[in-house]
Amino acid sequence: AQRVTQPEKLLSVFKGAPVELKCNYSYSGSPELFWYVQYSRQRLQLLLRHISRESIKGFTADLNKGETSFHLKKPFAQEEDSAMYYCALSGLGYQKVTFGTGTKLQVIP
Amino acid sequence: DAGITQSPRHKVTETGTPVTLRCHQTENHRYMYWYRQDPGHGLRLIHYSYGVKDTDKGEVSDGYSVSRSKTEDFLLTLESATSSQTSVYFCAISEETGNEKLFFGSGTQLSVL
Repeated sequence: AQRVTQPEKLLSVFKGAPVELKCNYSYSGSPELFWYVQYSRQRLQLLLRHISRESIKGFTADLNKGETSFHLKKPFAQEEDSAMYYCALSGLGYQKVTFGTGTKLQVIP
Repeated sequence: DAGITQSPRHKVTETGTPVTLRCHQTENHRYMYWYRQDPGHGLRLIHYSYGVKDTDKGEVSDGYSVSRSKTEDFLLTLESATSSQTSVYFCAISEETGNEKLFFGSGTQLSVL
């Protein structure tokens, strides 16, 4: 079975402060990890995938297989980063994507 | 935005009535998914489809059925709605398997009274 855990329901940070949204996973094979974001009144959309190793809007995430984690980080939070963030997992070639419970990021001006 | 349309956007219904939600795509993507979003539970997969007339269950499929008679349409039916099915329902599509990018619809807010 695959499982994604996001321990924080709400994370509040001040503008300019570093951000780390935690994500841990459980999966027996080789996972594909994703971060999705839902801004207010917008559709859920892909923020980044670990396989592409890219930085989107200043966010990065590193897959740590030893700790089974895929934490999302940004060095300096911006007000426009306030949103709901979901970590997600899929197995290679597998059709189902499992989402975590989500973390609401609130950036305080 | 990918061409995904969910209808209706909002619906209020009574316990015991049947409800059908529609997801329509114009991307010709093979895979389609229905998720429900609930506070404290995140997004949970209800059913998904990997082609016309090819569907499979997700983690919370009880009380739901789906049909896909055309590539572009994926219907979610609540045979007899219950209050526990009050939720926001999202349709998603992907070109290949789930380890590709998912594109989401705008969601349907369903209230079962």
